[in-house]
Amino acid sequence: KNEVEQSPQNLTAQEGEFITINCSYSVGISALHWLQQHPGGGIVSLFMLSSGKKKHGRLIATINIQEKHSSLHITASHPRDSAVYICAPHSGGSNYKLTFGKGTLLTVNP
Amino acid sequence: ETGVTQTPRHLVMGMTNKKSLKCEQHLGHNAMYWYKQSAKKPLELMFVYSLEERVENNSVPSRFSPECPNSSHLFLHLHTLQPEDSALYLCASSRGGGNTDTQYFGPGTRLTVL
Repeated sequence: KNEVEQSPQNLTAQEGEFITINCSYSVGISALHWLQQHPGGGIVSLFMLSSGKKKHGRLIATINIQEKHSSLHITASHPRDSAVYICAPHSGGSNYKLTFGKGTLLTVNP
Repeated sequence: ETGVTQTPRHLVMGMTNKKSLKCEQHLGHNAMYWYKQSAKKPLELMFVYSLEERVENNSVPSRFSPECPNSSHLFLHLHTLQPEDSALYLCASSRGGGNTDTQYFGPGTRLTVL
């Protein structure tokens, strides 16, 4: 069983809509990464956060360590936001190991 | 461009072939990673090198053999692979190790094993 659960698995939105992607994890962590993967495979790191909230442009990431939950929000969504969004908590043990969710496929229609 | 390049971008090989994947980072980072992404499965960490020393081997079969000759280059040598090894292989690098460092990913090598 994957220790990281993302919801929804697939999300279709109209341009301009507010998007929320959720991530729940079962292990204790000290940090969590949000990644974006475009068609063709390229992955970009969006956020690394260990508490509270971070904002970058139209993207906002929040985390509640006690609840073991993180959310990624996209305001004023645009077709270029269409991608797979992956949650990756930093699990205990090795300093290098990330555990990855299966990803949320977001499609934003014009 | 993330500063991490991978070659080749696509590779088709038979089960008896030997091939190598190459990754190069131009970011001055000290840690490099190999990941495997199979269809409909999460990313899986394979290997981590920090300052050219292997610090993580995530129970990867011996038919995958990594090599890190210096902090800018990382190879994944492949031999006698199985069809289930077909996947996207991603390389990444980070300034140091640890959970607080952003990882920068290459574009990946799409591997097909016949």
